[in-house]
Amino acid sequence: NAGVMQNPRHLVRRRGQEARLRCSPMKGHSHVYWYRQLPEEGLKFMVYLQKENIIDESGMPKERFSAEFPKEGPSILRIQQVVRGDSAAYFCASSPEYSTDTQYFGPGTRLTVL
Amino acid sequence: LAKTTQPISMDSYEGQEVNITCSHNNIATNDYITWYQQFPSQGPRFIIQGYKTKVTNEVASLFIPADRKSSTLSLPRVSLSDTAVYYCLVAVYNTDKLIFGTGTRLQVFP
Repeated sequence: NAGVMQNPRHLVRRRGQEARLRCSPMKGHSHVYWYRQLPEEGLKFMVYLQKENIIDESGMPKERFSAEFPKEGPSILRIQQVVRGDSAAYFCASSPEYSTDTQYFGPGTRLTVL
Repeated sequence: LAKTTQPISMDSYEGQEVNITCSHNNIATNDYITWYQQFPSQGPRFIIQGYKTKVTNEVASLFIPADRKSSTLSLPRVSLSDTAVYYCLVAVYNTDKLIFGTGTRLQVFP
């Protein structure tokens, strides 16, 4: 029974390039969340999605960031025209519908912007 | 969402019991208290959740006094592998947005 899967685990981009981070939730989970963590800090909520719907994106920067969770396939967090300040660990979590505060986290994607 | 305050760091030795206290003076009636554990280079892992009194599972115990303005996570007989950051979260049950503080860095020494 696989847990939350994220890929790639490490991603290096140059300023101005695009970063695509993928997340496959646990089997049977229909809720996906994205968080960002800077060094020595706690995780910061970005966005909450259900299949084909964005439920809460209050933590997403207004520009360059977007997220989707299509009917088929993984959830994607997309960062356009990356800047050095986007360097961070990005964690995806999933939960079952009946217990959204018990979230299961993936191993994260560490994005480094050169 | 209630703000939480917990120690920045704690040290312990293998085999000792560790108690990490979290203050949440503004906790609301519908709020639950949840603790997560995070190892370096990994995502957080749910440990335990409670509303009042005492909750125990195979990993830890959670003590919540009657006024619910604080809670204590108790780790019995810690080992080196318990070295991690522990986060105390307070939120409405079934919230969709977890708010993490900076957590408590627990270092266990041999």
